[in-house]
Amino acid sequence: GEDVEQSLFLSVREGDSSVINCTYTDSSSTYLYWYKQEPGAGLQLLTYIFSNMDMKQDQRLTVLLNKKDKHLSLRIADTQTGDSAIYFCAEKGRDDKIIFGKGTRLHILP
Amino acid sequence: GAGVSQTPSNKVTEKGKYVELRCDPISGHTALYWYRQSLGQGPEFLIYFQGTGAADDSGLPNDRFFAVRPEGSVSTLKIQRTERGDSAVYLCASSSQDGYEQYFGPGTRLTVT
Repeated sequence: GEDVEQSLFLSVREGDSSVINCTYTDSSSTYLYWYKQEPGAGLQLLTYIFSNMDMKQDQRLTVLLNKKDKHLSLRIADTQTGDSAIYFCAEKGRDDKIIFGKGTRLHILP
Repeated sequence: GAGVSQTPSNKVTEKGKYVELRCDPISGHTALYWYRQSLGQGPEFLIYFQGTGAADDSGLPNDRFFAVRPEGSVSTLKIQRTERGDSAVYLCASSSQDGYEQYFGPGTRLTVT
């Protein structure tokens, strides 16, 4: 079945860039997503990319998609303490089901 | 406008009891999804509705779980004979017809004692 993998933890110094990586297995993915979840809060859609794109930029966020390698990344420029959260990678296949990774916990060092 | 709402926000029940979890999607959204999130995990797909019908229920873990959406709006997730392993946060999401942006509710935290 479909699977989404991402590393569990990332520590970054405040002001540096954070890069969170994700790999997926479904070659028929139509959309790929990044969600943010803060402690005790719901899932917030941060950004998404259509599978025929290779890059999308939205203010401090840059998403890169390598469809050949089934690799997705999220870069957060000038990381702030408010960026501390769990970031979930997710992919949507042609069956409209969305499969999530286990999440990457981003920790900001002072 | 109003987002996705879920009630109750917390539910504590005893093992063996029946529970119902409710989801009110964003008005006009035709697609509705249920997920379950256990501690330290990502959301796990349970079931997806397009309108009133379940388009994909392959994620329901067993026949104790059932969901309905009789009028194509509000949905209820029903769990019979609850077990301690059912304890999790149950998330609902909705999206419009084209479905590429899903909006999540705050979730219902279910604790089975």
